[in-house]
Amino acid sequence: GENVEQHPSTLSVQEGDSAVIKCTYSDSASNYFPWYKQELGKGPQLIIDIRSNVGEKKDQRIAVTLNKTAKHFSLHITETQPEDSAVYFCAASGEGGGADGLTFGKGTHLIIQP
Amino acid sequence: EPEVTQTPSHQVTQMGQEVILRCVPISNHLYFYWYRQILGQKVEFLVSFYNNEISEKSEIFDDQFSVERPDGSNFTLKIRSTKLEDSAMYFCASSERVSYGYTFGSGTRLTVV
Repeated sequence: GENVEQHPSTLSVQEGDSAVIKCTYSDSASNYFPWYKQELGKGPQLIIDIRSNVGEKKDQRIAVTLNKTAKHFSLHITETQPEDSAVYFCAASGEGGGADGLTFGKGTHLIIQP
Repeated sequence: EPEVTQTPSHQVTQMGQEVILRCVPISNHLYFYWYRQILGQKVEFLVSFYNNEISEKSEIFDDQFSVERPDGSNFTLKIRSTKLEDSAMYFCASSERVSYGYTFGSGTRLTVV
């Protein structure tokens, strides 16, 4: 089955700087890659996703890049703010995140230092 | 914004007891899921449900687990005989279509003692 590795496990950046979180996956059939933000005591919240027919997607301060050849994808957050502090999970799925289950990475605890 | 609602938020049960975790998915969503997250670990897929039947299940979802959509609005996860290792946060999720991202609920923290 699919295996998703995520790095780093903890990332501390100064407010205003950029943060990059990287994930690799093992199943070349995976074609849907969402990113989730989880705040303490809450469920994962979808922040951005990308499908394998595109290489990059951007939404304001958040961007995701995908390299299907190398089987890795990354989350980029620019101009970080205190409210960006949370645990971020990458995930991969073979059928667009529908009937197939998502395989999650272990998460990155992002800490924004004021 | 539409939400996935889960109840209870926290459940404590004795080992060997049955528990039912409840979820109300977003009303126009067609796909439903249960995931779990053991404290400090990653979120793990349990089961997906579509058209009143299980679409896919993971190795975790053994005979002790079952899901049901009893009345067209609720979606439940039953654990027949809980074990200590079932202690985790259980998340329900729903999606409108196969290719759309999920919406997760806030979770039920299950503690088996």
